[in-house]
Amino acid sequence: AQSVTQLGSHVSVSEGALVLLRCNYSSSVPPYLFWYVQYPNQGLQLLLKYTTGATLVKGINGFEAEFKKSETSFHLTKPSAHMSDAAEYFCAVSGGTSYGKLTFGQGTILTVHP
Amino acid sequence: DTAVSQTPKYLVTQMGNDKSIKCEQNLGHDTMYWYKQDSKKFLKIMFSYNNKELIINETVPNRFSPKSPDKAHLNLHINSLELGDSAVYFCASSRGSPGELFFGEGSRLTVL
Repeated sequence: AQSVTQLGSHVSVSEGALVLLRCNYSSSVPPYLFWYVQYPNQGLQLLLKYTTGATLVKGINGFEAEFKKSETSFHLTKPSAHMSDAAEYFCAVSGGTSYGKLTFGQGTILTVHP
Repeated sequence: DTAVSQTPKYLVTQMGNDKSIKCEQNLGHDTMYWYKQDSKKFLKIMFSYNNKELIINETVPNRFSPKSPDKAHLNLHINSLELGDSAVYFCASSRGSPGELFFGEGSRLTVL
């Protein structure tokens, strides 16, 4: 069984500040990890993913995440927030016999203040 | 050119009715999914089809019946709608990269 916990349902930052969205996972098999973003009234869009190899992965819009196996974490960061980053962000895990089956976290709403 | 399109986007209906949501993808993907997002934004997989074959069927009431006439289409039919079925239903597709899904814009179902 797999699960994802996103710490903080709401995160608020100022424009230009560091963005840090936290994600911890549980998986009995080597995980594949993902971050998706959802803008209002839209579907989810893949930001970045970790499957194997380099533990620091870069995604679209300047976001990156680091897979830390010892901490079972996959936190999402961006050095400088932009107003257009305001959205809801979902961390997800897959693995085992159903790598296509994603288990999502509860989501974190990111607000960016001018 | 919408990659994954769902219709209708909004659906308001009475309890006990039967309704369908349609999904089409023009990405040439082999696998399609239905996800349910509840009022707390929690996303959960319902079904997955690969080349018209059902491969994932979570513990979903049998009032929900997916149908895939071809690999570009995946429809969801819901019988005897209940209040708890109110949610946003997302269709998604993928090619082969595990977990790399392309989502539609969602179909918001409201059951009164």
